[in-house]
Amino acid sequence: DGGITQSPKYLFRKEGQNVTLSCEQNLNHDAMYWYRQDPGQGLRLIYYSQIVNDFQKGDIAEGYSVSREKKESFPLTVTSAQKNPTAFYLCASSGLKNTGELFFGEGSRLTVL
Amino acid sequence: AQSVTQLGSHVSVSEGALVLLRCNYSSSVPPYLFWYVQYPNQGLQLLLKYTSAATLVKGINGFEAEFKKSETSFHLTKPSAHMSDAAEYFCAVSGDTGFQKLVFGTGTRLLVSP
Repeated sequence: DGGITQSPKYLFRKEGQNVTLSCEQNLNHDAMYWYRQDPGQGLRLIYYSQIVNDFQKGDIAEGYSVSREKKESFPLTVTSAQKNPTAFYLCASSGLKNTGELFFGEGSRLTVL
Repeated sequence: AQSVTQLGSHVSVSEGALVLLRCNYSSSVPPYLFWYVQYPNQGLQLLLKYTSAATLVKGINGFEAEFKKSETSFHLTKPSAHMSDAAEYFCAVSGDTGFQKLVFGTGTRLLVSP
């Protein structure tokens, strides 16, 4: 079945460590996105990519980095510069003729100890 | 800029009662509007979308929403709640740059009691 796979589902990290969250899709979608979800704040866009080797900052990109070397993959690195990294991270994708429907992965919950 | 306001962070209904989740939007251009549902510790799933065709939009699981331009609203309704409807619901509007950047509301958690 086609879909989006995020890993790991749960991740713990110590302060000062970088961590990379994986996102893979087999939907043949051109666009991919990373959102951060915090209680009571909805979803906020971190980065998005509309094509391989290109990506744009979203509303809260500081302290995060991404790469898009393959169409299927859009990993997110949470760096030590991110001041409050504990959150639920959601990856999504959409087709070229985007009708607004985003397909989401099941999320990765990051906890900083 | 575009924005969405969801009134009520929590809504409680009894099983079989009407569900009404409110969403008001702000947009300088004709909007495209969406409702997504999220079950605990999962991603979001599209319930329905308005893309300038019929103003009454029917979605999955018996939900529907009506686009009212005069009220800048896109409220989500279901005639009869089921226990399985308990989840968090997000309204979203397309961003200025087109569909790619959806702007989400803060969400409404629907609680359904027996």
